[in-house]
Amino acid sequence: DAGVIQSPRHEVTEMGQEVTLRCKPISGHDYLFWYRQTMMRGLELLIYFNNNVPIDDSGMPEDRFSAKMPNASFSTLKIQPSEPRDSAVYFCASSLWMNTEAFFGQGTRLTVV
Amino acid sequence: EDQVTQSPEALRLQEGESSSLNCSYTVSGLRGLFWYRQDPGKGPEFLFTLYSAGEEKEKERLKATLTKKESFLHITAPKPEDSATYLCAVHPPPGGGKLIFGQGTTLQVKP
Repeated sequence: DAGVIQSPRHEVTEMGQEVTLRCKPISGHDYLFWYRQTMMRGLELLIYFNNNVPIDDSGMPEDRFSAKMPNASFSTLKIQPSEPRDSAVYFCASSLWMNTEAFFGQGTRLTVV
Repeated sequence: EDQVTQSPEALRLQEGESSSLNCSYTVSGLRGLFWYRQDPGKGPEFLFTLYSAGEEKEKERLKATLTKKESFLHITAPKPEDSATYLCAVHPPPGGGKLIFGQGTTLQVKP
């Protein structure tokens, strides 16, 4: 397996624009996670899915953030409208079962100007 | 509140100089503790999983240990390629997949 695949790797957008980040988890993994990493706050869990169903979205900072998982091989994280404070690296990760290790993608570096 | 604290924040070693990184947690009923390595511009790379106090795992120059309140990542005779940020994460109860990460220790090994 190629691992967790994220796209794009880099995204620069203007404040107010819609941003969509994409993730393909490892085949057969039941859990999918979206994390955000900043210097100030480190790695924060935004939302996670189990078998395509959102389980915990308490880490989503505002209603401007939304995430979907229409099938087992694809997930999106959308920010609309984007703001400069959303600038961060966003990681997608997947794991086989509950309480097992998660494998991370290479991340999307988002810059909102 | 569940917390994970890593120390030191940064560590500089000479090649061959062994040391340890610490990860302390306040989670009760730990469901798993994980160590990751992160290189600049990349995603965290999984290293070890520990589930119970007394457990140890080894991989090349790295050895992870777990007690009831903390975990150590021992680095023996490090090489420059071991330079990276090392992250610790825990699965708090009631489980369900949620991982809480520490802030990480940035290790620099000089030749």
